[in-house]
Amino acid sequence: EIVLTQSPGTLSLSPGERATLSCRASQSVTSNYLAWYQQKPGQAPRVLIYDSSTRATGIPDRFSGSGSETDFTLTISRLEPEDFAVYYCQHYSSSSLYTFGQGTKLEIK
Amino acid sequence: QVQLQESGPGLATPSETLSLICSVSGASISDFHWSWIRQPAGKGLEWIGRIYGSAITNYNAPFRSRVTMSLDASRNQISLNLYSLTGADTALYFCAMGKTKTKFDSWGQGILVTVSS
Repeated sequence: EIVLTQSPGTLSLSPGERATLSCRASQSVTSNYLAWYQQKPGQAPRVLIYDSSTRATGIPDRFSGSGSETDFTLTISRLEPEDFAVYYCQHYSSSSLYTFGQGTKLEIK
Repeated sequence: QVQLQESGPGLATPSETLSLICSVSGASISDFHWSWIRQPAGKGLEWIGRIYGSAITNYNAPFRSRVTMSLDASRNQISLNLYSLTGADTALYFCAMGKTKTKFDSWGQGILVTVSS
């Protein structure tokens, strides 16, 4: 079973800054089936990125995903006030199916 | 636009069974992949299981011995039964849809379930 480890646990930044969130897999990820979700308090998660780097419908282009094999990154180029939330990465494989990282909290500095 | 709505009891009894329903509008449950995911308060997301197609199911290993999922095509609903409850099952339970097998495109708002006597 693949374990996803997200870092940092908490990231403190100011609006306008660039955010870089990491997701590391314990072994190579199948076909880059790696997705990123944003969750705000009291809301369900929302998919931002899938297949490592494809933006979901309606997601602003300040969100981008990259990476392969075991190291993946979610980058928010210029933080807007509404971007402060918790972010999760998620992997799919035919063997262990769905695995989530533990989350990164992006907070206002 | 696909909408998912979870329903069920907010309070469940230890050792008993939790039954939740996910009602879907804007999509046929015969298409796509349907999962249940839970989130204990202040914690991360945990995938419970998936159902799709002709009611093919896959369950996460920690739940495999005490979970079942089913489809009701006439009502366009997905159900979850979780047996032998303990306090550790207290969580926010989400129903989620995947247009493909690899991700979750749409989510319900979630239903908070507390397991307590």
